[in-house]
Amino acid sequence: NAGVMQNPRHLVRRRGQEARLRCSPMKGHSHVYWYRQLPEEGLKFMVYLQKENIIDESGMPKERFSAEFPKEGPSILRIQQVVRGDSAAYFCASSRGRTGGSPLHFGNGTRLTVT
Amino acid sequence: TQLLEQSPQFLSIQEGENLTVYCNSSSVFSSLQWYRQEPGEGPVLLVTVVTGGEVKKLKRLTFQFGDARKDSSLHITAAQPGDTGLYLCAGDDDMRFGAGTRLTVKP
Repeated sequence: NAGVMQNPRHLVRRRGQEARLRCSPMKGHSHVYWYRQLPEEGLKFMVYLQKENIIDESGMPKERFSAEFPKEGPSILRIQQVVRGDSAAYFCASSRGRTGGSPLHFGNGTRLTVT
Repeated sequence: TQLLEQSPQFLSIQEGENLTVYCNSSSVFSSLQWYRQEPGEGPVLLVTVVTGGEVKKLKRLTFQFGDARKDSSLHITAAQPGDTGLYLCAGDDDMRFGAGTRLTVKP
């Protein structure tokens, strides 16, 4: 019974390149959340998606960042034209429902380093 | 967006001591979730508190939800080095997290 799978675990990109982070939710989960974490800090909400829909993207920068959760396949967080300030750990979490006590199950993150 | 403030931000104690960390907000929550994150890993759910005034125990960890459902506390009895980690609370309504309490328990 696989948990939330994120890949790659580590990603190195040069400034100006694109970064694609993938997240496969737990089986049966149709809700996906993306968070960003800087060293020694907490989790900052970025975006909440359900299958094929973005529900809340209020935490995501309007430029260069996009997210999708297609009908088939993993959720993708895309960062275009990366800058050094994008270096962080990006965590994905999935849940069975929106609220009502449905806990989040987290992956182990993708650590993005921009050189 | 419902803001959650966690305190203290950092806490370093000796093995065997007791401690309490707090999660406060001016907003009312349907429920609150507590997570623990260890280095290099994603957070793991510890407990969900739902009812105002509720107390839940998980071995040496005691979680309390305030009567008004605006705040919560986590008390650890006889802390052990294995308790070291980042403790995070999140409001169930929007799944935003507080900044966390980084706990270090020294042997």
